[in-house]
Order: sequence, then C-alpha cells, then structure tokens
Amino acid sequence: ELKVEQNPLFLSMQEGKNYTIYCNYSTTSDRLYWYRQDPGKSLESLFVLLSNGAVKQEGRLMASLDTKARLSTLHITAAVHDLSATYFCAVPGLYNNNDMRFGAGTRLTVKP
Amino acid sequence: NAGVMQNPRHLVRRRGQEARLRCSPMKGHSHVYWYRQLPEEGLKFMVYLQKENIIDESGMPKERFSAEFPKEGPSILRIQQVVRGDSAAYFCASSPRGGDYEQYFGPGTRLTVT
Repeated sequence: ELKVEQNPLFLSMQEGKNYTIYCNYSTTSDRLYWYRQDPGKSLESLFVLLSNGAVKQEGRLMASLDTKARLSTLHITAAVHDLSATYFCAVPGLYNNNDMRFGAGTRLTVKP
Repeated sequence: NAGVMQNPRHLVRRRGQEARLRCSPMKGHSHVYWYRQLPEEGLKFMVYLQKENIIDESGMPKERFSAEFPKEGPSILRIQQVVRGDSAAYFCASSPRGGDYEQYFGPGTRLTVT
C-alpha cells in the first residue's frame, strides 16, 4: 500500500527563522504535489514537481524532489506570519494514478 | 474561468437522513474526483468519475455512498442514512484529463451529522 508520510506534523516557529518540512513516500513516483490549506478553506496548489531533481521556488517557499530517495522537501526561508497554514504533500496513486495520496499534513504556526 | 464549484458549502443532517453534495468542475474539465477529509487529517480518495462513468470507486465505502457524473449537470456524491462518522469535509477536484494530471480543488462541503 502506498504511504505518504510527512514530518513534522506540527511546527511552531518564530518569524524570520528557516525550517524544512519532509515528505517521504513508499513507492516509485516521478511527480509530487504540494498544497496549502488555510483553516476552513480548500487546498491551494503550491508546487508541482515533475521529475527527479526538480526544484521550484515561490517567495519564501522552495520545494525539491528526490525520486530515488522517495523524498520531497518544502523549505521555508525567513518565515512570516502569513505562511501559517497546513501544508500537504501528495503523490499519484500506486496502481492507476487516478487518486492522489495525501500526507497527513504539517500544521505550521509562525509566531511574531 | 470559474474554478471548481461545490454546494452547499455547509450541510447539517440528522442521523438517518440523506446528504447530497454537488460539484461543478472547471470549464473544460471532464474528470472529477471526490475526497473526504476528517478533522486533523489529510484527504482520502473516494471516487473518480468521467462524464456518465465511474472509473474508480476503490476509496468509497460499499454501503450508503454513491456518486454520479451525468452528461448534463454537476457531479453528485450521495450519502444515504448518514451517521455521525460521516461528518467531514468533502472536497471535489477536477482535471482536464486523467492519469496523474494535476487536480484543481473546490472549496469543499462541510457535512455535520447531528
């Protein structure tokens, strides 16, 4: 069974600090997605990583994908309060790619 | 171009009633996916549909749950005889084609069973 594991599940950090969220998955996949979810809201697509070694950056967030290690990272640089949200990684399903398999999410709180 | 639309946004049902959740995909998208999110958890895949066809319902409970995507109109997720454990947020996503193409999510329907 495909498993997608994120850590940490909860992250509290000070503004201005850096941190990395990790996403491990248990099967071969050459693509991975990162989403942001604010409380009570839907999922907002952040990054689509389509190949081994892919790196994408948007503002203070940078995502990378290592398909050999089955690992993706979401790095936060100089965090600000507006980044407080829950971040999910997801990979296509194991057998038919029809479903996305999501990690449990990392709830990030950035404190002033 | 309007995004994925879901209604209602909030739905309260008593135990034993039926819940109907609607999803209109983005314009030009003919692939629809339904997910369920329990509090404090990630999303769990339920069903994948194309127009008039259920392609994959491997994530949907065998009892009480059904889904359709008719030729005309929105996709509907139907839950019969709801129980408290059905309380969750239900998200619909759409994509222009299937496979592992990126999916775009709607705002969700929050179902509360009292």
